[in-house]
Amino acid sequence: NAGVTQTPKFQVLKTGQSMTLQCAQDMNHNSMYWYRQDPGMGLRLIYYSASEGTTDKGEVPNGYNVSRLNKREFSLRLESAAPSQTSVYFCASSERYNLGYGYTFGSGTRLTVV
Amino acid sequence: KQEVTQIPAALSVPEGENLVLNCSFTDSAIYNLQWFRQDPGKGLTSLLLIQSSQREQTSGRLNASLDKSSGRSTLYIAASQPGDSATYLCAVEESGNTPLVFGKGTRLSVIA
Repeated sequence: NAGVTQTPKFQVLKTGQSMTLQCAQDMNHNSMYWYRQDPGMGLRLIYYSASEGTTDKGEVPNGYNVSRLNKREFSLRLESAAPSQTSVYFCASSERYNLGYGYTFGSGTRLTVV
Repeated sequence: KQEVTQIPAALSVPEGENLVLNCSFTDSAIYNLQWFRQDPGKGLTSLLLIQSSQREQTSGRLNASLDKSSGRSTLYIAASQPGDSATYLCAVEESGNTPLVFGKGTRLSVIA
């Protein structure tokens, strides 16, 4: 099915470990995003990429890096995981239509840092 | 900085009731407003998108209105069903191709 695919779905890390969250979309969308969702906090933007080759910081970028590998793939890296990064991470992509930007979200990666 | 607020945070209603979810935003200069649904442990599904020039959008039992000047939107759900139980999120796009700013959501429970 067309959409946004995130891997892995679940991950447990020890403090200080590193990992990369993968995201791929097959809808030929130009824009891609990484959000984190915490209880009582809603979704907060970490980084986004308006088009291939560009990335910009969002509201909460500290502790993260991103790579827009090509038009399809946008990865999020935690270099040294901290317990405060325990969260559910969502990748999304969007494209402009007549009425605005249509968004498609992945099913999320649930990350626990112990 | 744009801030989006959703009231109430949680709502429980009996099946068949009509209900209204509220969303407010601090900066009225928005490009569009979107409503999403999120089921437990799942991603977000887009429900309705209202352009800044529009007053409302309808899809089935859902009707979303927008009053840009007052910074408010409502999502009206008619004849609620247990399958409507989910978290509903409101998000605004401030200008073309800028990321969405989300509210914290309203968790809806429809009791059979």
